[in-house]
Amino acid sequence: GESVGLHLPTLSVQEGDNSIINCAYSNSASDYFIWYKQESGKGPQFIIDIRSNMDKRQGQRVTVLLNKTVKHLSLQIAATQPGDSAVYFCAETNSGYSTLTFGKGTMLLVSP
Amino acid sequence: ETGVTQSPTHLIKTRGQQVTLRCSSQSGHNTVSWYQQALGQGPQFIFQYYREEENGRGNFPPRFSGLQFPNYSSELNVNALELDDSALYLCASSSGGQGSYEQYFGPGTRLTVT
Repeated sequence: GESVGLHLPTLSVQEGDNSIINCAYSNSASDYFIWYKQESGKGPQFIIDIRSNMDKRQGQRVTVLLNKTVKHLSLQIAATQPGDSAVYFCAETNSGYSTLTFGKGTMLLVSP
Repeated sequence: ETGVTQSPTHLIKTRGQQVTLRCSSQSGHNTVSWYQQALGQGPQFIFQYYREEENGRGNFPPRFSGLQFPNYSSELNVNALELDDSALYLCASSSGGQGSYEQYFGPGTRLTVT
């Protein structure tokens, strides 16, 4: 079936750098996308979301970009901190459906 | 913290046994979704309960079943456990049923089947 995937399984950055985590999705019917952060031993934590009628959305230190033409989603984290170290998942869904489809995840490692 | 709690934290069962996992949703939320997360993978949707009724189901066999109670807490039951059922089981609560995208996850129950 269709699923969400990520390009990079592990991303290592230095503290203070900007991080970019990428995600490709294949379900053209998806119209809502979410980024989650999962720390060891915890459940996924909502970071930011974006609807398909937008191509960019900004939060605190995070920006999500959506390119529907190539079915690509990215999460940008500014001034990455050691506390940002975690696994990041993108997820997609379609209006009217109850299910979130998650990708495999990217591990972000931030060195002091 | 999201306010979603799950019990137990860890569980070890033997193949063929049955297990019940529990979830208390965040205050004010009437929808609970269950996910299975295998090691190194993203969560996979099992099913969702909205106002005590099943509201959607993923690609899981019937031996995975659930309940939602009037206080919106929920149970996940798995019968005839298989080794591949070893995973982290996550519940997430939200408000509004279908279209309620912002889901708040609990810490999960780690199930090991031997």
